[in-house]
Amino acid sequence: NAGVTQTPKFQVLKTGQSMTLQCAQDMNHNSMYWYRQDPGMGLRLIYYSASEGTTDKGEVPNGYNVSRLNKREFSLRLESAAPSQTSVYFCASSEWIGSPYEQYFGPGTRLTVT
Amino acid sequence: AQSVAQPEDQVNVAEGNPLTVKCTYSVSGNPYLFWYVQYPNRGLQFLLKYITGDNLVKGSYGFEAEFNKSQTSFHLKKPSALVSDSALYFCAVNAGNNRKLIWGLGTSLAVNP
Repeated sequence: NAGVTQTPKFQVLKTGQSMTLQCAQDMNHNSMYWYRQDPGMGLRLIYYSASEGTTDKGEVPNGYNVSRLNKREFSLRLESAAPSQTSVYFCASSEWIGSPYEQYFGPGTRLTVT
Repeated sequence: AQSVAQPEDQVNVAEGNPLTVKCTYSVSGNPYLFWYVQYPNRGLQFLLKYITGDNLVKGSYGFEAEFNKSQTSFHLKKPSALVSDSALYFCAVNAGNNRKLIWGLGTSLAVNP
């Protein structure tokens, strides 16, 4: 039972390059989330997927796209990376049965855009 | 608009002393409240939550939190701090059926030996 896994752990991109961050969970959760964490900014929601087949924008969706590939997997794509996207990215999953359950987080991807 | 405030960027406490990390919230409707901890270079870990019922909630690692509806607060507490409690602590709130949490900016706790 690995929980939430993310790949890669580290990535360096040049401005304009593209990449996809992968996330998978093995807890059979319906909801999945992508956050970015920057110093002094806390956690900011990029996109989330309340259930398989749905995705919605969070606070800071510009420059990102997501795909809920199946119930387990939720990927985040940067089409044309910018230095402002340098950050630590976290994927999370949770369940919702009448009220919110806690979110489980992956170990994060540290992305640097030069 | 819904919001969460953690009024202290940093809290310093001596090992063995009680600790409090503060959180206040503003939501319409009944709040669901959470505390998470983040150790350096790690993802966030769930500590405890308040959904309904007893205002005093007990969680992992000896932490507890008290829900105070009149003061719209959910402060995290521990009777006796350990050096290993040094970490970044986040408060979060959900109100309504939108599957999202609103996060505070975090409080850095330093426990000094």
